[in-house]
Amino acid sequence: DGGITQSPKYLFRKEGQNVTLSCEQNLNHDAMYWYRQDPGQGLRLIYYSQIVNDFQKGDIAEGYSVSREKKESFPLTVTSAQKNPTAFYLCASSSPRGLQNYGYTFGSGTRLTVV
Amino acid sequence: DQQVKQNSPSLSVQEGRISILNCDYTNSMFDYFLWYKKYPAEGPTFLISISSIKDKNEDGRFTVFLNKSAKHLSLHIVPSQPGDSAVYFCAAILYRGHGKLTFGQGTILTVHP
Repeated sequence: DGGITQSPKYLFRKEGQNVTLSCEQNLNHDAMYWYRQDPGQGLRLIYYSQIVNDFQKGDIAEGYSVSREKKESFPLTVTSAQKNPTAFYLCASSSPRGLQNYGYTFGSGTRLTVV
Repeated sequence: DQQVKQNSPSLSVQEGRISILNCDYTNSMFDYFLWYKKYPAEGPTFLISISSIKDKNEDGRFTVFLNKSAKHLSLHIVPSQPGDSAVYFCAAILYRGHGKLTFGQGTILTVHP
C-alpha cells in the first residue's frame, strides 16, 4: 500500500545536538512538506519542496534544514540553532490539484523531545 | 499573522446532538478549504473540503458551509458520536500558492455519551 513513513516515532535529543527526522513516500507525489505542531498553534509550515533538488522556506524555517535528493525522500534536520525544538513534526506529500483533498497525505508524525 | 483562525479551543457536545466547529480566515485569495480530524500522536485525517465557488458541501454526517463575504466556514457534524472526539483543524489553500496548506489552531471536540 502507498503511504508516507516517518521515523522514528519518538526521538530524544540533547541540547546542542543536530537531529534528522526521516520522511519517505511511495505515492509518486512531487510535492512534500514539513509541518510542526505545538499546543494551541495548529500546524505550521517549516519547509516544502515541489520538485527534486528544490525546496523553499515555510513560515518557521529558522533552525531547520532539508534536502530533496530523491523524489521519495524529504529528511528534516533540526539544528542546534532551533531554540524550541520540542514539538510534534508531521511530514506530508501531495499530488496535483483536482482531487478533493488536494491529494494530501500525512505521515504519522515524530515526537521530538529535547532533554 | 494568523490567516486562518479557530477561535474556540474546545467544544463539548452530547451524543446525538449537532457539533458546529467554526473557522475564520483573512486572506480573500484562499480558494479551497479543508477540514481535518486529528488524534494525538497521529497524522491528520482528511474529512471534507469545499471550493471557494461553492457555499455548501455534504458528505454523510459532515457538512461544510462557506460564507465568503464573512470569510467564515463551519463544519457541522450530525449526529455527533463519541468516536468523533478529536482535534479538528480547518485549513486553506492559496490560489496558485503551490498547494501549501495554512492551518487554524484547532478545536478539541468532546462528544459525551
